[in-house]
Amino acid sequence: QKEVEQNSGPLSVPEGAIASLNCTYSDRGSQSFFWYRQYSGKSPELIMFIYSNGDKEDGRFTAQLNKASQYVSLLIRDSQPSDSATYLCAVTAGGFKTIFGAGTRLFVKA
Amino acid sequence: DTGVSQDPRHKITKRGQNVTFRCDPISEHNRLYWYRQTLGQGPEFLTYFQNEAQLEKSRLLSDRFSAERPKGSFSTLEIQRTEQGDSAMYLCATSGEASTDTQYFGPGTRLTVL
Repeated sequence: QKEVEQNSGPLSVPEGAIASLNCTYSDRGSQSFFWYRQYSGKSPELIMFIYSNGDKEDGRFTAQLNKASQYVSLLIRDSQPSDSATYLCAVTAGGFKTIFGAGTRLFVKA
Repeated sequence: DTGVSQDPRHKITKRGQNVTFRCDPISEHNRLYWYRQTLGQGPEFLTYFQNEAQLEKSRLLSDRFSAERPKGSFSTLEIQRTEQGDSAMYLCATSGEASTDTQYFGPGTRLTVL
């Protein structure tokens, strides 16, 4: 079992729709959860982080964390073609070692 | 631009040669990470420094890989006797004091081993 699992996609949504990206993790001791966006040929850039159960909103992005279910998600509202990228879920346990999922490719159709 | 720089951006080498990459962190960041990323995969943790101390090294890292961070500033990652399987993007990331601090990635060094 992979430590951080994501559906590889591609996930295709029309412009203006909500994109929902999901991630599960295996280590119950995980403490910090991150979503990174990575454009082709570029390095990852942070979108959001979440530490506590529940929802966290930042502009068009909402991260949701459920530690009991070991599940974290990212919702992108009013999706734009510029949101087309690979979205990486990352999980940190014990302070410094961060484990990344393989990423979900998102395509937003104009 | 996150403020983390890496050099070189691209490196092509022949199998069996040694290569060295450099990472310059954001000045106030004391934590520095090296990752390797291959096509279709997320970044894979290689090693971690807090200041000049190397606190963890992935079991996946063979003895051909070594990293240093003298004086707790820039870091180097050396790969000896390169193999074709070492071809990947090598990413450096840095973060501040708290363990939950966000990691900021450099642009990466793309290594191609012929």
